[in-house]
Parts: sequence; structure tokens; C-alpha cells
Amino acid sequence: DVKVTQSSRYLVKRTGEKVFLECVQDMDHENMFWYRQDPGLGLRLIYFSYDVKMKEKGDIPEGYSVSREKKERFSLILESASTNQTSMYLCASSSGDGRDQETQYFGPGTRLLVL
Amino acid sequence: GQSLEQPSEVTAVEGAIVQINCTYQTSGFYGLSWYQQHDGGAPTFLSYNALDGLEETGRFSSFLSRSDSYGYLLLQELQMKDSASYFCAVSGADKLIFGTGTRLQVFP
Repeated sequence: DVKVTQSSRYLVKRTGEKVFLECVQDMDHENMFWYRQDPGLGLRLIYFSYDVKMKEKGDIPEGYSVSREKKERFSLILESASTNQTSMYLCASSSGDGRDQETQYFGPGTRLLVL
Repeated sequence: GQSLEQPSEVTAVEGAIVQINCTYQTSGFYGLSWYQQHDGGAPTFLSYNALDGLEETGRFSSFLSRSDSYGYLLLQELQMKDSASYFCAVSGADKLIFGTGTRLQVFP
């Protein structure tokens, strides 16, 4: 089974702190994604990566950056956390092969509270 | 731009059939996916349609009409465990765009 793990289930940070959210997948997937999920807004794509050291902006990249130094690991960085970044953060991965790339496998999520 | 519309909430009773509709507006359309998410859980993949027509997987079926920019998820023989949020998502190049989700409540 594909496994996507995220470093924390719950995180509390203060405004202005630098926050690192880590995601690791064990299926040798090329594509990795970071979403945030807020009530009534669904899943919104922050950044994605389809190869090591590659990154692409999603729909809401402002205030975030990412790092993909290894194929299995995709990190989301909040350079200076703000209260409006309080949210559930979901990481996902998918294969780069044909139809399989349409199936994204999600991690359990990190619920971040910024005070 | 890209947008998806699906109902915010649907209710039904055990054993019934429910249909969750999804209309979309997008460029570069490759296909329509459906994901299920239980409260507190991660979204899990249910189905994917790239071509027009109906695809069946057990009690769940998914339909796509590319000419109408429309699809639906059909859940049959509803069970209490089907209570969850259901998201449609359109595939563009390399990424998915998700709808805002439909919360399904199944009552005994």
C-alpha cells in the first residue's frame, strides 16, 4: 500500500515563526503536492513538484515556499506564519505514469494553529 | 479560469440511492475524479473518468459527459459508513482542481 506520512498531526505556532511541514512518501512517486483545506473552500493547491528540485506554484502560493531535495520528501515552509495560515495542510503524491497519475494518495494531514 | 460546482450537502437514508452532481468549467480537461473524505481523515480516491460514460466499482458508479462538462457520483445501497464528504476534481496538466465538496449524511 502507498503510504504518505506527515511529520505532525497537530501543530501550534506563534505569529512570525518559521514553520516546516514535512511529507514523505514510500512509493517512488514522481509527483507531490501540498494543499490546504478550509471549511467551505475545499482543497486548494499551494505548490506541487513533479521531480526532485522542481517546484510549481499552485493556486495559493503566497506566504509559502517548498523544498524537494529528495524524491520521497516534499517540505512546505511558512516563512513567517500568520493567523490566516491556520488550516489543515494535506500532502499528496501520485505516479507520473498515464492514468495512474490521476490517483493522488493523501497523508493524514497536519492541523496547524497560528496564534 | 477553472471552477467546479457541486451541492454542499445531501441527505439520504440507509439502503437508498444518492447522486452527487458536479459541473465544471476548465481549460485543458483530462478527466474527472472523485474522492471521499471522512471527518478527521484524509481524502481517498474513489474513481476516475476520462471518457464519456459510466464506470462502476461495487456500490459506487461515476459518470462523465464531456460535452456537457458534467459528471456525477452514484452511491447505491447506502450504508451509514458512507457518511462523508465527497469531492469531485478535474485533471489538468499535472494537477487536480478540487470542488468544495458535498457532505453526505446517511440516516438509519
